[in-house]
Amino acid sequence: GENVEQHPSTLSVQEGDSAVIKCTYSDSASNYFPWYKQELGKRPQLIIDIRSNVGEKKDQRIAVTLNKTAKHFSLHITETQPEDSAVYFCAPRGNYQLIWGAGTKLIIKP
Amino acid sequence: NAGVTQTPKFRVLKTGQSMTLLCAQDMNHEYMYWYRQDPGMGLRLIHYSVGEGTTAKGEVPDGYNVSRLKKQNFLLGLESAAPSQTSVYFCASSRGTRGLGELFFGEGSRLTVL
Repeated sequence: GENVEQHPSTLSVQEGDSAVIKCTYSDSASNYFPWYKQELGKRPQLIIDIRSNVGEKKDQRIAVTLNKTAKHFSLHITETQPEDSAVYFCAPRGNYQLIWGAGTKLIIKP
Repeated sequence: NAGVTQTPKFRVLKTGQSMTLLCAQDMNHEYMYWYRQDPGMGLRLIHYSVGEGTTAKGEVPDGYNVSRLKKQNFLLGLESAAPSQTSVYFCASSRGTRGLGELFFGEGSRLTVL
């Protein structure tokens, strides 16, 4: 089956700095790459996604970049704020279903 | 417009007991999913449905059964609960076909099996 790895598992950044989380996948047929955010005790929510025919997508402070050749995609958060503290999951689509990474805990230091 | 609603939100079972988790969505979505989430892990797919009357196995289906008799409801059953089934269960639905598009999640159901 598909193997999905996220790095780092925990990321601590100063408020206002940028954060980057990387997701590596193994299935070369994957063609849909979403990122979900889960705040403590809450449900996961989609924050940004990208299709395989696009290399980058931005939505205000959040961006996703895709490198299909290397089979990885990354979440970029600029000007981090306290409300960005959460666990972030990548979930590339493999064999018609999403395959979830183990998550990255993002800590924003005041 | 409630979105995805799960009941119950909390439940404690003894080993061997049975129970059913109910998921209801009011968005007319075709696809529905049951996931479990354990500490330090991502979501793992238990079963899913691509439409009324259909179900399919996901990554970790053993010990669970599902039914989708109505388009808006997706039930997850545990026939004989085991401590290994202690977890947070999330139901989700989506409009997109074949795993594409946003998943809308319920609030989760925390199940403890003693």
